[in-house]
This record gives sequence, structure tokens and C-alpha cells, in this order.
Amino acid sequence: KQEVTQIPAALSVPEGENLVLNCSFTDSAIYNLQWFRQDPGKGLTSLLLIQSSQREQTSGRLNASLDKSSGRSTLYIAASQPGDSATYLCAVLFWGNEKLTFGTGTRLTIIP
Amino acid sequence: NAGVTQTPKFRILKIGQSMTLQCTQDMNHNYMYWYRQDPGMGLKLIYYSVGAGITDKGEVPNGYNVSRSTTEDFPLRLELAAPSQTSVYFCASSYGQGAVDEQYFGPGTRLTVT
Repeated sequence: KQEVTQIPAALSVPEGENLVLNCSFTDSAIYNLQWFRQDPGKGLTSLLLIQSSQREQTSGRLNASLDKSSGRSTLYIAASQPGDSATYLCAVLFWGNEKLTFGTGTRLTIIP
Repeated sequence: NAGVTQTPKFRILKIGQSMTLQCTQDMNHNYMYWYRQDPGMGLKLIYYSVGAGITDKGEVPNGYNVSRSTTEDFPLRLELAAPSQTSVYFCASSYGQGAVDEQYFGPGTRLTVT
């Protein structure tokens, strides 16, 4: 079964620290992987999309990496800020599917 | 561009009632999706559409219906609402399939069935 897992479910980090969020998936045959941010009561905002042929993508203080062989992706956030507090979801488009498979997310709290 | 808009933002239904959740996008996207998000769970795909006049079931279609008469609109119909349909519903769109392109999400509709 194709599944996406995000551990831990919640994470608290002091402001200014660098941090890594984890995403693992059960099938290495993926088309691409997306990281989303969700603020409370709001919809999802796409942060980064990594195609299967790519190893990483960067946007500002965010860097997402992809290791298909090990079924893992990480989202690195540099110099964390209170405004980074949100839930971060990982979603995978597996080959042969027409839909994204979402993880359950990591709720990140940056402590001022 | 307004992006993806959804109405209403909140709704309380009694068991057995029906309603339509509205979704509109102004980005000329071909693909549109309806998801539900239950507490502590990932998003589950209800229905999707690859273009006007074409719809298909996702993971959890039972109890829902959709139509796609125009590129812009993708309403989700709930018939005979049940407590199990209490959830937050998100509409999304993308130019290409799935996540070949990024998916853009609406703000969600929080539905409670009592």
C-alpha cells in the first residue's frame, strides 16, 4: 500500500534555530513530491515541489531534499521565525496514480 | 486573480439535509479536486475533474456528487448528510495533472452535521 508518513506529529523549536521536518513514503516509484504549509483555519499553500529526477529544491529559507531510494524527503527551515509556526504537510504523487497521497502533517511551533 | 474561492466558510447541517459546496477558480486550470480533512488525518480525495464535463471518483466518494459544467466551477453536492461527513472540505486546482504542477487550494469549508 502506498503511504506517506510524517513523524513527529508536533515539534516545538526556539526561534532562530535551524530545523528539519521529515517525510517518508513506502514506494520509491514516485512522480514528484510536494511540501505544503497549512495555517490554522486556512487552506494549504504549496511551498516546494520536487520532481522525481531532482534531489532538492530551495526557496528562500526553505530547502527540500528527496531520496527516492530510501523513501525519504526532508524540509529544512533555516533561522526559524515565529511566523513559520504552522502545520507542514508532505504529499506524494506515486506513479500510476492520478491523486496526491498526503501525510498527516507535522505541527510546528516556533517559540519566541 | 482571486485564485480558488469556496463558499460557504462554515455550515451546520442536520442529518438528512442536503447542500452544495461551491468552488470557483479563475486561473483557467484544467484539473480540480475536492478533498476532506478530518482531525489528525491527511487529506482524502473525494472527487476530481480533468476538465469541463469530466469527473472521476477519488478515495472517498460515497455520499457525494460533483459536476463540472464549466472550467471555472466544480461544486460538491452532499445528499442526505450524515455525521460522518463532518469535516473540513478543501477545493484545489492545478493546470496539469495531480502535482505535475502545483495544486492551489481554497480556504476550506468547515461542515458540521448534527
